[in-house]
Parts: sequence; C-alpha cells; structure tokens
Amino acid sequence: AQKITQTQPGMFVQEKEAVTLDCTYDTSDQSYGLFWYKQPSSGEMIFLIYQGSYDEQNATEGRYSLNFQKARKSANLVISASQLGDSAMYFCAMRELGFQKLVFGTGTRLLVSP
Amino acid sequence: DADVTQTPRNRITKTGKRIMLECSQTKGHDRMYWYRQDPGLGLQLIYYSFDVKDINKGEISDGYSVSRQAQAKFSLSLESAIPNQTALYFCATSAGPFGEAFFGQGTRLTVV
Repeated sequence: AQKITQTQPGMFVQEKEAVTLDCTYDTSDQSYGLFWYKQPSSGEMIFLIYQGSYDEQNATEGRYSLNFQKARKSANLVISASQLGDSAMYFCAMRELGFQKLVFGTGTRLLVSP
Repeated sequence: DADVTQTPRNRITKTGKRIMLECSQTKGHDRMYWYRQDPGLGLQLIYYSFDVKDINKGEISDGYSVSRQAQAKFSLSLESAIPNQTALYFCATSAGPFGEAFFGQGTRLTVV
C-alpha cells in the first residue's frame, strides 16, 4: 500500500537560509508521481512542485527543488533563501499510476524567523 | 472565480443532522477527491471518483457518502453528523494520471 512519511512535525529556519523538509514514501508501483503542497495559515492548498518516478533530473521551481533519491524512496523539498512568507504547513503527497489515489503525509510546519 | 468551488465555506450543525458539502469545478478534470484534514493527521482521503460512474472509497469513508452528479460536480454527505466529524474538508480535482491536484478553498465543518 502506498504511504507517505514526514518525520519532522516542525522546522525552524532563519530568513535567507536554506531548509530541507523530509519525505519518504512506500510503494510497490514502478510508476508514480510525487508532489509537494504548501498550506499557509489561511488554509488553502498551494501546489509547489512535482517529480515523476521516471524523471532523471530533480525537479525545480524557482526557490523550490525536490531532492529525489529513488533507491532510498525519499523526495525531500529544499527551499532556498527562505522568506517570512514561507512560514506554513508543507505536505508531501504521492499518486501511483495503478491506484490513482493521491495520498498525503502528515505535514511539516515550517517557521521562518527574521 | 475559483476553478474549484466548495460550498458552504463554514458550517455549524447539530449532532444527528444530515449535511451536504458541495464541490464544483470548471477545470474539466475527470478526477475528483474529497479529503478531511484534522490537526496532526494531514489530509485523509474520504472518497474519490474518476468519472460519473466510477466512485471509490478512500481511507476513512465510514459515515460519509458521495454523489457525482456530473463531471463538474462532486458532493459529500454526512448522513448523521457526529462531533468527531468536525474538521476541515477539501475537494480537489486532477487531470490525467500524474497531474497535480487543484484544491477548493475548504469547508470548515463543526458538529456540536
């Protein structure tokens, strides 16, 4: 069964520093997609970045990059040059080609300090 | 206008009442999902649908039912609400096997 694990309930980082949010996953499917979402205090879910299981290069979107290590089944989100507006909950998610369910981890709360 | 619209945005209801949460989308996506969010538990999948005739239970479907009235509409019902169904509910849509999910604004439901 597909499963997403985020082991960091909370993370702290100073403004302008980089931070890595951990995500590991479990699947028996060879084809799957990995996603990261941001949820600010206002509650909406904002899509950040996507990585396909067959993508050879790590995905990047502006200050966000995904450190994809397939053999270790990890898909960590790296935020470079943190900003105060990055303070939010961050969720890792996965969809298998076979089952097509989009399954989420429990999230990591990031707090960026001045 | 939002691509994925949930109504109502907030609702307080009494134990035992039937309540329906509605979701409509203008993105033309075939896949629609209902999630529940509780503090510390992330988003848990309640039901998902790949088209009007294809509806599937998620991880926590007990106490909930859904209806896919059209490609663009997916409703979630609580037949007899109970206090532990107090949560933030999200509807989401996606296109294709690996498209990202687009979320509605959420419905904050309180059962008293």
